[in-house]
Amino acid sequence: EAGVAQSPRYKIIEKRQSVAFWCNPISGHATLYWYQQILGQGPKLLIQFQNNGVVDDSQLPKDRFSAERLKGVDSTLKIQPAKLEDSAVYLCASSFWGARQETQYFGPGTRLLVL
Amino acid sequence: AQTVTQSQPEMSVQEAETVTLSCTYDTSESDYYLFWYKQPPSRQMILVIRQEAYKQQNATENRFSVNFQKAAKSFSLKISDSQLGDAAMYFCAHRSNNNDMRFGAGTRLTVKP
Repeated sequence: EAGVAQSPRYKIIEKRQSVAFWCNPISGHATLYWYQQILGQGPKLLIQFQNNGVVDDSQLPKDRFSAERLKGVDSTLKIQPAKLEDSAVYLCASSFWGARQETQYFGPGTRLLVL
Repeated sequence: AQTVTQSQPEMSVQEAETVTLSCTYDTSESDYYLFWYKQPPSRQMILVIRQEAYKQQNATENRFSVNFQKAAKSFSLKISDSQLGDAAMYFCAHRSNNNDMRFGAGTRLTVKP
């Protein structure tokens, strides 16, 4: 079974530039999550989708971050414009249908460096 | 919102020995799930073990077991017969009824040959 795919693996940009990350969840997983992991910290949930609808985006900085999952499968996370403090690893995870007992499976992450 | 605390930033263990990683959490809920995830240097998070709060029996997965103390809000991970491949960051996580998942800051485990 293929795991969660993410691209790119690494990205270096200058502040005020824009960047987008892509995630392809495990086939059949209806729930998709984006996390931000700053160096030395645990992952922090940014947004959760159930199919193509947003379940929770309370911790997403909406003035600069946006995410979509148009067809309920792949998802993109965008930062526009980027700030220095956005340097982090962005992890995508998916689970079967988001029930409490369902395990989240993580992708390898995209490491972003903002200069 | 719930919080998860891992008080040990770093731990080390001798190969083949046993090590225990600590985790405490704060929640007002009675029904929730707890997880331990492993993150090797490649950064792919891998589920190690999970515990349902309504179950009194501690979860076990081969060499990995937990000591779940619900009243004390404690959820420690014990790794027996440690192997070099166990070296990684370990994250404790709490998942609430509304699927809100919170992670601790992590414990870096070093395994000495």
